[in-house]
Amino acid sequence: ETGVTQSPTHLIKTRGQQVTLRCSSQSGHNTVSWYQQALGQGPQFIFQYYREEENGRGNFPPRFSGLQFPNYSSELNVNALELDDSALYLCASSPSRTYGYTFGSGTRLTVV
Amino acid sequence: RKEVEQDPGPFNVPEGATVAFNCTYSNSASQSFFWYRQDCRKEPKLLMSVYSSGNEDGRFTAQLNRASQYISLLIRDSKLSDSATYLCVVNLGTSYDKVIFGPGTSLSVIP
Repeated sequence: ETGVTQSPTHLIKTRGQQVTLRCSSQSGHNTVSWYQQALGQGPQFIFQYYREEENGRGNFPPRFSGLQFPNYSSELNVNALELDDSALYLCASSPSRTYGYTFGSGTRLTVV
Repeated sequence: RKEVEQDPGPFNVPEGATVAFNCTYSNSASQSFFWYRQDCRKEPKLLMSVYSSGNEDGRFTAQLNRASQYISLLIRDSKLSDSATYLCVVNLGTSYDKVIFGPGTSLSVIP
């Protein structure tokens, strides 16, 4: 049973639209990371937040943005959706880098 | 060169077999290492951390060789329930946790 929950589980959007994905982490998990996983590939790091500040980013354009809130929830926002944005989006949190990350079950986004 | 590379797979093995997965990473400054397992259409789940001294958890043994920048996972006495994709994960751990996943190696354990 995961302590990280994501919503919605599935989503269909049209190219050009904007989407907000949500994640609720475990209490005490100050670090949250977001990943994009295309079919048949490993998760790709989008960015990381620590205590409500973005402190690391992968090779994703600025139209991918996020927020982290004091209550251990966070958001991933994607503007101007493209067909290639269709993927499983995973949120992961950790109390400490030595413990590894706990993943939510993900949001499967389809852009048509 | 990719930051984390794994055996391409898939691996198809009979029940009871021993199977080994290999992983290499390119950044010598990497600080922590993990194996995750991911079932079809599910989220990755932490299987075990990997330490230089090697560590074992039941039928699973993980090894890290920092000099060779190589990580391994050994599964003994394979069970049907071991069928999954195994992801090698490296945390570069600089000013933030840049956690890089390998592409994964698929394992199917056959009755």
